[in-house]
Amino acid sequence: DIVMTQAPLSSPVTLGQPASISCRSSQSLVHSDGNTYLSWLHQRPGQPPRLLIYKISNRFSGVPDRFSGSGAGTDFTLKISRVEAEDVGVYYCMQATQFPQTFGQGTKVEIK
Amino acid sequence: HLVESGGGLVEPGGSLRLSCAASGFTFRNAFMNWVRQAPGKGLEFIGRIKSKSFGETPEYAAPVRGRFTVSRDDSTNTLYLQMNSLKTEDTAMYYCTTDSIVVAGTWAFDIWGQGTMVSVS
Repeated sequence: DIVMTQAPLSSPVTLGQPASISCRSSQSLVHSDGNTYLSWLHQRPGQPPRLLIYKISNRFSGVPDRFSGSGAGTDFTLKISRVEAEDVGVYYCMQATQFPQTFGQGTKVEIK
Repeated sequence: HLVESGGGLVEPGGSLRLSCAASGFTFRNAFMNWVRQAPGKGLEFIGRIKSKSFGETPEYAAPVRGRFTVSRDDSTNTLYLQMNSLKTEDTAMYYCTTDSIVVAGTWAFDIWGQGTMVSVS
C-alpha cells in the first residue's frame, strides 16, 4: 500500500495568518492515465470529513479560494492563505492512484 | 445525501450489518466506499463496490478482507457492509462515501454520510 505522510501533525495558527500542510507519498501518485489522484479533506470536530481539493489543485464546489493545493509526484502541499475560525479541525490528504486508497495521519489545525 | 444505520454494540466474534441509504444522485452509476475512523484516530479505507456497469466488483483493504462484505441494492439505492468475526480493533465510526459523483473522474470521496458507530466489546 502507498504510505501517506503528513507534516506537521499539529499546527497552531493565528487568525488571519497563513497555514501550510505537507503530504508526502511513498511512491509517485502519477497514474498511468497521466492524472495524479491526490485529494485533501477537512474534518471539523464531531463532523464527517468533507472534500476540499481534488487532483492536487482543484477546489471542490463551495470551497473558499483561500484554500489552494499544489505539488507533483510524491510531494504535495495544502495552503490556507488566511486562516479563519471555521478552518479549525483535522486535514487529511488521500491518494486514489493505487488501490487501496490511503490517507495521511491527519494534521490538526487549531487557533493560537 | 447519505445516511448510515445499523451500528451498535457487539461482542468480539459477532456480526453486524450496516446500511447506507443514498438519495439525490444516480446511485446505480456510483462507486461506493466504506471508510472507518477509530476513536481519536485517522481515516481508514476499508472497502468499495463498483457500479453494475463495471461489474459490481467489491474490493477490500487487507485488515477486513475475508471478514467484511460490501454489497449494494440499486433498486433501493442502498449500500451494505456485512461485518463478521468482529474484533475489538474494528471499533470505529463507519462512513459511507461516494467516489466522483459531483465531478466525474476526480477519484475523490466527495459525498459523506454522518457515520454510524460500531463498538466491539
